[in-house]
Amino acid sequence: DTGVSQDPRHKITKRGQNVTFRCDPISEHNRLYWYRQTLGQGPEFLTYFQNEAQLEKSRLLSDRFSAERPKGSFSTLEIQRTEQGDSAMYLCASSSTGGWSPLHFGNGTRLTVT
Amino acid sequence: AQTVTQSQPEMSVQEAETVTLSCTYDTSESDYYLFWYKQPPSRQMILVIRQEAYKQQNATENRFSVNFQKAAKSFSLKISDSQLGDAAMYFCASQSGTYKYIFGTGTRLKVLA
Repeated sequence: DTGVSQDPRHKITKRGQNVTFRCDPISEHNRLYWYRQTLGQGPEFLTYFQNEAQLEKSRLLSDRFSAERPKGSFSTLEIQRTEQGDSAMYLCASSSTGGWSPLHFGNGTRLTVT
Repeated sequence: AQTVTQSQPEMSVQEAETVTLSCTYDTSESDYYLFWYKQPPSRQMILVIRQEAYKQQNATENRFSVNFQKAAKSFSLKISDSQLGDAAMYFCASQSGTYKYIFGTGTRLKVLA
């Protein structure tokens, strides 16, 4: 169990640019979640996958955001035409299926849009 | 829709003393789970304790225990014998139905030496 890893740890981009983040979950975990966290706030749900299927997407997520999980392994989160309001910590978490299962979080990717 | 509310933005406790963090929630589901997560400064979030809604007995994990009041939709966390390493942001969370976790806004706990 190597834990959930996210790449990059930090990303600084100019407004209007596209960015992509990667998350590698714990290998045996079927479920993968993306959350966004701004300073002083709790994690805000963005989307989640069970295997390769994206089962739910937050209504707060604009069309500029897209997430994929090809082959049910790693996942990517892309933000197109970034805006300053996108600046936040993007957290990935994974869990196994069956009954209750806690989320295992990565260290997050901190995005700064200038 | 699920909601989780933490009304205490910040709490302080003297080392070795006991502190209680509050959380209220709302859900239309009959089957759900409640969690407390800890997020130390600049470190990843980790699970502290969890409670199944169908269990009446309050969960306990070493120095951490919960007071689960189902009718009142209240789920507080008690930390006994507080240690400096307990200083962190604490988030209450609920999970039900679609396996989506909803988090509160957090309580920052300061432990005073």
